[in-house]
Amino acid sequence: AQSVAQPEDQVNVAEGNPLTVKCTYSVSGNPYLFWYVQYPNRGLQFLLKYITGDNLVKGSYGFEAEFNKSQTSFHLKKPSALVSDSALYFCAVRVMNTGFQKLVFGTGTRLLVSP
Amino acid sequence: DTGVSQDPRHKITKRGQNVTFRCDPISEHNRLYWYRQTLGQGPEFLTYFQNEAQLEKSRLLSDRFSAERPKGSFSTLEIQRTEQGDSAMYLCASSFERESYEQYFGPGTRLTVT
Repeated sequence: AQSVAQPEDQVNVAEGNPLTVKCTYSVSGNPYLFWYVQYPNRGLQFLLKYITGDNLVKGSYGFEAEFNKSQTSFHLKKPSALVSDSALYFCAVRVMNTGFQKLVFGTGTRLLVSP
Repeated sequence: DTGVSQDPRHKITKRGQNVTFRCDPISEHNRLYWYRQTLGQGPEFLTYFQNEAQLEKSRLLSDRFSAERPKGSFSTLEIQRTEQGDSAMYLCASSFERESYEQYFGPGTRLTVT
């Protein structure tokens, strides 16, 4: 079975400080990993993905994530947080070449950036 | 706006009634997905279409739920004899054919069963 864990329900950071939102995964195979953001009463918005290659992937709005195979982690990072980054963040995984198309999501981490 | 659209955005219904939701994917996407999201949880997969073929269904999709994509374009999700436990946000997503491609989500339909 494949699963994703987001250990923090909420992350608080001051504007201008770096932020990290944690994600670990468990799959039997090679993963595709994704980060999505959700604003209130809105659908999920794609931020970035890891498929293969460079372990550091860059995405939208200045976000990046680092794939670490030995730690089975895919943490989301941003060097300097903005108040407008406050939202709900979801990590998701799909296993390659299994024929299964579904994304498995974590429970989400609420990011609160204070002015 | 050429993103995924869903209709209606909100639906309030009484227990026991039938409801139907519509999803219009991004036009060049041949894959379409339905997810359900309850408060405080991440989205949970319900079903997947490639063109008009329904290729994958979750155990969450009881026999009261049915989904169609008759011409490989828009899709409908019907819930018969709604129960209070069906109250949730129903999300539709679409993607290109290769499995490495990300899924793009619509704004969702929020269902409240009273």
